[in-house]
Amino acid sequence: EPEVTQTPSHQVTQMGQEVILRCVPISNHLYFYWYRQILGQKVEFLVSFYNNEISEKSEIFDDQFSVERPDGSNFTLKIRSTKLEDSAMYFCASNLGTGAGEELFFGEGSRLTVL
Amino acid sequence: GDSVTQMEGPVTLSEEAFLTINCTYTATGYPSLFWYVQYPGEGLQLLLKATKADDKGSNKGFEATYRKETTSFHLEKGSVQVSDSAVYFCALPQGTSYGKLTFGQGTILTVHP
Repeated sequence: EPEVTQTPSHQVTQMGQEVILRCVPISNHLYFYWYRQILGQKVEFLVSFYNNEISEKSEIFDDQFSVERPDGSNFTLKIRSTKLEDSAMYFCASNLGTGAGEELFFGEGSRLTVL
Repeated sequence: GDSVTQMEGPVTLSEEAFLTINCTYTATGYPSLFWYVQYPGEGLQLLLKATKADDKGSNKGFEATYRKETTSFHLEKGSVQVSDSAVYFCALPQGTSYGKLTFGQGTILTVHP
């Protein structure tokens, strides 16, 4: 069964460093997403991406964050100059984009720890 | 804006016990409603959904009924198993945006043999 894969599963970084989290969405999906979950808090939407551009982003997704689809399979989230409060689990997801009621397919997550 | 409220957790049950996890929502219109589940070490996956009022979603013995009168979508299972131990999230779409979900805070369920 096709699945969304994410790497790394866990990354530890120093404050101020840049981090890139990688995702391989399901191959025939057209919409890609990043969510995050700070420990003990809700899962929060960060950004959606379609046709090589951001289709929507939350207020959390400021200039520190960027997304890219560098080739036909990968979808990346870059966090520049990481802060302690960026420590969280980051989930990638994808779907076909048939409507608001469509299921999202999530990866297992990448845990980011900023020291 | 639209929001979801889940019952406070965690929930601890013995095997074969009855499970209810409460979820209420605030939304304009009648959005689809979802329950996602996250098993240990895995990503979130859709457990069930309902797309309109009075619909009942069901999967793996779990059920939830979309009740617009009480703005609720409570998750139930008649007899839980140890393998049901996971985190359960109620969610709804934000407006008509694709893939932009609002999640509840999650409920940790632990089932003991």
